[in-house]
Order: sequence, then structure tokens, then C-alpha cells
Amino acid sequence: DAGITQSPRHKVTETGTPVTLRCHQTENHRYMYWYRQDPGHGLRLIHYSYGVKDTDKGEVSDGYSVSRSKTEDFLLTLESATSSQTSVYFCAIRRDTTQETQYFGPGTRLLVL
Amino acid sequence: AQSVTQLDSHVSVSEGTPVLLRCNYSSSYSPSLFWYVQHPNKGLQLLLKYTSAATLVKGINGFEAEFKKSETSFHLTKPSAHMSDAAEYFCVVSDLFNNDMRFGAGTRLTVKP
Repeated sequence: DAGITQSPRHKVTETGTPVTLRCHQTENHRYMYWYRQDPGHGLRLIHYSYGVKDTDKGEVSDGYSVSRSKTEDFLLTLESATSSQTSVYFCAIRRDTTQETQYFGPGTRLLVL
Repeated sequence: AQSVTQLDSHVSVSEGTPVLLRCNYSSSYSPSLFWYVQHPNKGLQLLLKYTSAATLVKGINGFEAEFKKSETSFHLTKPSAHMSDAAEYFCVVSDLFNNDMRFGAGTRLTVKP
């Protein structure tokens, strides 16, 4: 258990509405990540953070923004949700002592109608 | 850019028989490689990782993987499948310096009684 929680766990929303997903960690690690999981694609990196207010884009960042105002929280925002953003979203942390190994949260299932 | 190819999208074995999940990678650097497992409606759990130490890596639940640089492969094996091994397995290649972690598309393992 890496002390990662995600909220909400499930969400249904309509096209064009804003959506914010939250990732919370209890261990104060620097690195946090947001991925999306789609059939046939594995997981793809959306954005990551290497400290408070320090973020960078990943492979599939278009249509997403992130914020990190506290070490323990990393927020993912869909400014105007589209059906193509229907997916399962995973947050991950990288423990400073384990170098590259990432530990994943339980996921958020998002359906955009 | 680095990438991962999981050669089988679905593998089916009988309980008690060996498991082989195949993974090839492409990387410009000396890669770190991982296998993660995802049980239905769950998050991802680390099975094992290779980070330039021993080429034969042992993981949890009896799984192991062998890093073969000449073949750019990192296949996952287990001598005897158990019903609880039924899940989706992801091979991952990582470049720490660029925070670039690439997932394969996944292999779904079915275990028949």
C-alpha cells in the first residue's frame, strides 16, 4: 500500500463540462503522475509533477491541465470534457528511495456522455 | 523515443502449466524494465523490476523475468500457473532522466481449471 487515494472513484459527466480528479498521497514524495488507461494502449502519461508548482507534460497532455499547490495533492482537470476522454485515470507516485519504481492508486473511472 | 511491444494480447494456460508472457523493448539508453500486474477493477501492482543488476530477476508470487540485451527482450515466466494469476500484465520500459515511462499494450492471462 503506497498511501495513494483517488477521488472520485467513478464519475459520469456530460460533454463540455469541467471535471477535476484528485490524487492524494500520505508519504510526501516529490514525484506524482497522471496516466490514462485505454484498451490496446496500456497506460499513457498525461502530466507529471516533480514538486509543488512544478509540472510537465507527458505523452497525451492535450485537453488536460494539472495543479500541485501542496506536496500531498495532485489535481487533474479536464477543462471541457469530451467523449474521447472517457477512460480510467491512474495516479502514481515515485518514492524517492526506489528511484524509478512507480506505485499506483486505485484509479478513477470517468465516463463522458 | 523508447517503446515496448508485448507480443501477445491474450495468453491462455491451464492451471499448473508454465506461463510465458513475451515483451520486447526499444531504448537508446540502458533501460530499466518492469512488469506490473492488474487484477480486474484494481490498480497496478509491481511484480518485478530490472535496473542493470542481475539479468534474471525474481518477483512476487513465483514470477521471474530475464533481461536479454542481445534480443532486446524481457519475458515474464512462471513455472506453474495458479487460478489467482488470471489478470492483465504490463511490461514497462523507463528512462529516469526524462521521466519517460512507456507501457506495453498489455497481455491478458487466462488460467483454465
